[in-house]
Order: sequence, then C-alpha cells, then structure tokens
Amino acid sequence: AQSVSQHNHHVILSEAASLELGCNYSYGGTVNLFWYVQYPGQHLQLLLKYFSGDPLVKGIKGFEAEFIKSKFSFNLRKPSVQWSDTAEYFCAVNAAGGYNKLIFGAGTRLAVHP
Amino acid sequence: GAGVSQTPSNKVTEKGKYVELRCDPISGHTALYWYRQSLGQGPEFLIYFQGTGAADDSGLPNDRFFAVRPEGSVSTLKIQRTERGDSAVYLCASSNVGETQYFGPGTRLLVL
Repeated sequence: AQSVSQHNHHVILSEAASLELGCNYSYGGTVNLFWYVQYPGQHLQLLLKYFSGDPLVKGIKGFEAEFIKSKFSFNLRKPSVQWSDTAEYFCAVNAAGGYNKLIFGAGTRLAVHP
Repeated sequence: GAGVSQTPSNKVTEKGKYVELRCDPISGHTALYWYRQSLGQGPEFLIYFQGTGAADDSGLPNDRFFAVRPEGSVSTLKIQRTERGDSAVYLCASSNVGETQYFGPGTRLLVL
C-alpha cells in the first residue's frame, strides 16, 4: 500500500539549532516528493519539491531536502532554525506525471523557542 | 494572482443535515482535488477532477459524499446525512498537468 511515514510527531528546538525531519515513503514506480508547511492560522504552503534531477533540493526560507532513492527517504533539513519556523510540516508523495493524488504523512509539529 | 479560495471557512451543522462546501481554484488550473484532514493527521485524498469529470473518486468514504465541477472551474463537495465523524477540515487544491498542487485555506466542518 502507498504510504508516507514521518518519524517525529513533535519536535522542540531552540533558535539556531539544526533541524532534520525524517520522511520515508512506500510507493511503486517513479515518484514526486514534496514538503508542505502549515504556519499557525495559515493554509498549507509548498516548501520544496523533487520531481527529477539533483536529489538535493533547495526550497524557501533556507530549507533543503535530500531524496535517497535506495532508502525511500526524503528528509527535510535546515542548518539553523528561527522562531518563525514554528509550524507543522507535512511530507507527501505522488506518482510522477499527470494528475495524481498526494499521499501525506501525519505531519511533524515543530516548536522553536527563542 | 489569486490563490485557491474556499467557502465557508467554518461550518457548524447538526447530525443528519446536508452541507455544501465550495472551492474556487486558481484560474486556468485544469485539475482540482479535495482532501480531508482530521485532527492530528495529514490530509487524506477524497476526489479529483480533470476538467468537469471526476477522474478519481476512490477516496470518498461512502455514498453520502458527492462532488461536482459542472463548468470545469468551481467545485462543490456535498455531504448528506452528516455524522459526527465527518467533522474535519476539508481542503481543496488545484494544479495544472503534472505540476504542484496549491491548497486553499480549508473549510472547518463541525457536526454536532
């Protein structure tokens, strides 16, 4: 069955700490991978995406993610978090090409303390 | 340009009532998706439209749920005989072919 697993449900960090959020997926075939973010009181926004090419993807606000095909992983990283990064982060996958539904993980709630 | 909009932003109804939730996609986007997000979970796919037709409705939980997109733009998700378990945030997203889905703010449905 198609699924996405996010290892951490809640993460608490101090400002300037480094961040890594785990994401593993189970999906047959070629995939697209996404990280979406939901800031408090706001709607889901795209943080970054991988469709093809360089497996190290850079997104907005200093975030990056690395697609490791052999591990079925797409972990999100940021070297130094800020208080404004407090949000819920969702990893998602769909089949490459065409119109395809997204399969989401359960989300990781990140709290950054000043 | 304008993003995806959804109305109402909040809906409170009583068990057994009928509700309609509306989605206005980004202009020109041909694909429209509905998802449902329950507390503490990620969004779950319900249905998607390619133009006016429902190309995949495999996520609809039962026949109380129905969605339309008669002119290939605005879509309405309809829930009959609502149950308390239908309480959730209903999200709409739109995209073009093989491209990123952009989400609206959602409709928070509470069934009492």
